[in-house]
Amino acid sequence: EPEVTQTPSHQVTQMGQEVILRCVPISNHLYFYWYRQILGQKVEFLVSFYNNEISEKSEIFDDQFSVERPDGSNFTLKIRSTKLEDSAMYFCASSEQPDQPQHFGDGTRLSIL
Amino acid sequence: GENVEQHPSTLSVQEGDSAVIKCTYSDSASNYFPWYKQELGKGPQLIIDIRSNVGEKKDQRIAVTLNKTAKHFSLHITETQPEDSAVYFCAAVPFSGGYNKLIFGAGTRLAVHP
Repeated sequence: EPEVTQTPSHQVTQMGQEVILRCVPISNHLYFYWYRQILGQKVEFLVSFYNNEISEKSEIFDDQFSVERPDGSNFTLKIRSTKLEDSAMYFCASSEQPDQPQHFGDGTRLSIL
Repeated sequence: GENVEQHPSTLSVQEGDSAVIKCTYSDSASNYFPWYKQELGKGPQLIIDIRSNVGEKKDQRIAVTLNKTAKHFSLHITETQPEDSAVYFCAAVPFSGGYNKLIFGAGTRLAVHP
């Protein structure tokens, strides 16, 4: 069964450094999403992306965050200058159409020191 | 904006018993309600979903019911097995005319004891 893959599984970064989280969505999916889950809290929506544009973003997704589809298979989330409070699990998801189910990767655990 | 409340936060059952997890949502325009199962070290996995034009949906031992008037939906697992042990999340999708943003509940940790 096709799946969403995320790398790395765990990223440790010094505060203030840039980090890029990578995702390979399911190949025929056109809609892409990032969510995050701070330890012990809800899974929260960050951003949705379609046709090389952000379609919606949450209040969390400020100027420190950016997303990109650099080629035909990867979808990345960049945090420009990480803060301690960015420590969380980051999940990538994709769907074939906007009204179709979203399929999630296994996440990247981001630890900011 | 949409808010989803989920209860209980933990649920412990004996193998073979039924488990019920309940969620309420605030936005009456929400029209899609998926349920996800998350096992340790894995991402959320879709197990069943229901749309607002349907009151109930079943898939083997799993069923979901939706009450639009009361704005709540529930997950029912019958004949529970130890492999059902996981964290379960409900979610709602507020109608936005296009792109689906999942609003999650806080999760229910289900433990099924042999």
